[in-house]
Amino acid sequence: NAGVMQNPRHLVRRRGQEARLRCSPMKGHSHVYWYRQLPEEGLKFMVYLQKENIIDESGMPKERFSAEFPKEGPSILRIQQVVRGDSAAYFCASSLETSGRDTQYFGPGTRLTVL
Amino acid sequence: SQKIEQNSEALNIQEGKTATLTCNYTNYSPAYLQWYRQDPGRGPVFLLLIRENEKEKRKERLKVTFDTTLKQSLFHITASQPADSATYLCALDDGGATNKLIFGTGTLLAVQP
Repeated sequence: NAGVMQNPRHLVRRRGQEARLRCSPMKGHSHVYWYRQLPEEGLKFMVYLQKENIIDESGMPKERFSAEFPKEGPSILRIQQVVRGDSAAYFCASSLETSGRDTQYFGPGTRLTVL
Repeated sequence: SQKIEQNSEALNIQEGKTATLTCNYTNYSPAYLQWYRQDPGRGPVFLLLIRENEKEKRKERLKVTFDTTLKQSLFHITASQPADSATYLCALDDGGATNKLIFGTGTLLAVQP
């Protein structure tokens, strides 16, 4: 059973470009979370999605960041007009359901470097 | 203010000894707490989950305790091995409806052979 998949693993962008990060949850999981880990800091929650719905985006920066989880295909975290401060590791996690406070399983992350 | 704290200093122990890592939190009422392991350049790997009504949980050489009065969780690795060297993250739910996790900054464990 494949785990959470993320791609690309490494992404280099110049300031002002767009970054698209993809996440495929574990099979059977319909809940997706995105977290960001800045250098020397802990993981910070960004957004929680279910299929076709954003449930909680309280951790998302107000501008330039957006996320989606379409009916078909992976979840996408999109960062427009990237700046150097966006350089970080972005992790996606998935869980089976939330009613039982299920475990979140993490992907390997996408390391974004903004030049 | 809300805080979740782990020992920021690295923990160095000798192989075969028991490693004990601490996680303290303030102004949260978590329904559960989780421990993850993270190796450099990799994603967190789930280890154990303990719920608020559980005092202790075990899995092989791992043991977690959860004291909601002290607002503290202890994570123990018995008979530690060099392969246990990694950063260990404590995470709790924020008590809300959406299951988002609040992470500590982690404790780096180094097991010397």
